[in-house]
Amino acid sequence: GESVGLHLPTLSVQEGDNSIINCAYSNSASDYFIWYKQESGKGPQFIIDIRSNMDKRQGQRVTVLLNKTVKHLSLQIAATQPGDSAVYFCAENISQDDKIIFGKGTRLHILP
Amino acid sequence: DGGITQSPKYLFRKEGQNVTLSCEQNLNHDAMYWYRQDPGQGLRLIYYSQIVNDFQKGDIAEGYSVSREKKESFPLTVTSAQKNPTAFYLCASSAWDRNTEAFFGQGTRLTVV
Repeated sequence: GESVGLHLPTLSVQEGDNSIINCAYSNSASDYFIWYKQESGKGPQFIIDIRSNMDKRQGQRVTVLLNKTVKHLSLQIAATQPGDSAVYFCAENISQDDKIIFGKGTRLHILP
Repeated sequence: DGGITQSPKYLFRKEGQNVTLSCEQNLNHDAMYWYRQDPGQGLRLIYYSQIVNDFQKGDIAEGYSVSREKKESFPLTVTSAQKNPTAFYLCASSAWDRNTEAFFGQGTRLTVV
């Protein structure tokens, strides 16, 4: 089975509020994590990544947090906008296998 | 422009027929991947290739075949042995170095009629 999973399949957030999307992983050997955004009918787009030697990484309006103790990853989106509506996937790179494994995804709904 | 291209965008196949999905990249990436996505689901790995003339099975390889004769190309054949082929197929590529993100094509939606 997949070693990466998501806690919530759907998340509804008011426009302008912050969004937090969570992800759990089970393989302690994973050393690289990626967040992707997928809009309807399109391929996933890279948002931000983090390596296992880091706890936090910030991009433009997005922050990824990694807690290796509990094998938890989160994506924070600041000031959520209508264009943020999409499905968000976390993915892990299992180095010994050279595979990128995806979780099931969380659909983010933006409320007006 | 550099990128990864999948074709066609939509594909219809009759039951019992094989069909080949194209994936081409000009990013000079060594690794290429094929994923399958069902409605409301995540991505499941079908096959991946780390280098020309070599590829490995992913989690759901049964009923599929691939080839990697050129670095730029990684076609996926959906054979008649695939029991439920209707899905959205995504191709991706990444640099050989570990810990780099994968870049995705726009996908091919395959429908069996």
